[in-house]
Amino acid sequence: EPEVTQTPSHQVTQMGQEVILRCVPISNHLYFYWYRQILGQKVEFLVSFYNNEISEKSEIFDDQFSVERPDGSNFTLKIRSTKLEDSAMYFCASSLGGRTPLHFGNGTRLTVT
Amino acid sequence: AQSVTQPDIHITVSEGASLELRCNYSYGATPYLFWYVQSPGQGLQLLLKYFSGDTLVQGIKGFEAEFKRSQSSFNLRKPSVHWSDAAEYFCAVGEVLTGNQFYFGTGTSLTVIP
Repeated sequence: EPEVTQTPSHQVTQMGQEVILRCVPISNHLYFYWYRQILGQKVEFLVSFYNNEISEKSEIFDDQFSVERPDGSNFTLKIRSTKLEDSAMYFCASSLGGRTPLHFGNGTRLTVT
Repeated sequence: AQSVTQPDIHITVSEGASLELRCNYSYGATPYLFWYVQSPGQGLQLLLKYFSGDTLVQGIKGFEAEFKRSQSSFNLRKPSVHWSDAAEYFCAVGEVLTGNQFYFGTGTSLTVIP
């Protein structure tokens, strides 16, 4: 069964550094998402992406965040200047759209020191 | 605004006992609802989904859920829990009209004791 893959599984970075989290969604999917989960807290929506543009974003997704689909297969989340509070598990997801479920990757654990 | 509430933060059951995890939603239209499971260190795996039709839906691993519109609930059940069911369970509601956003509950952590 096709799956969403995320790399790396764990990323450690220093405060103020830029990180790029990478995702390869399921190939025929049309909608792409980033969610994050701070340890012990709920899964929070960050951004959805469709037709090569952001379709919706949350309050969390401020100017330090950006997303890109550079080559038709990868879907990346860039955090420009990381803060300690950005430490979390970041999940990528994709879907066909309409009333279809999201398929999630296994996540990237980001640790900002 | 859409929201999902899972009132139980943590539940402990004995292996072989029955399980019910509660989920309530707030949504203006007919929702489409999901349950996901997250094992430690893993991503979110879809257990089951409800779009329309039969209000009792069957999922993987022996789970089922019942949609009750009058109670705005979508509770997850399993007749006999196995030790491998210990995980975090998330209820989610999907929004079609505004970009296919999903809203997740805060999760229920399930511990299974022998």
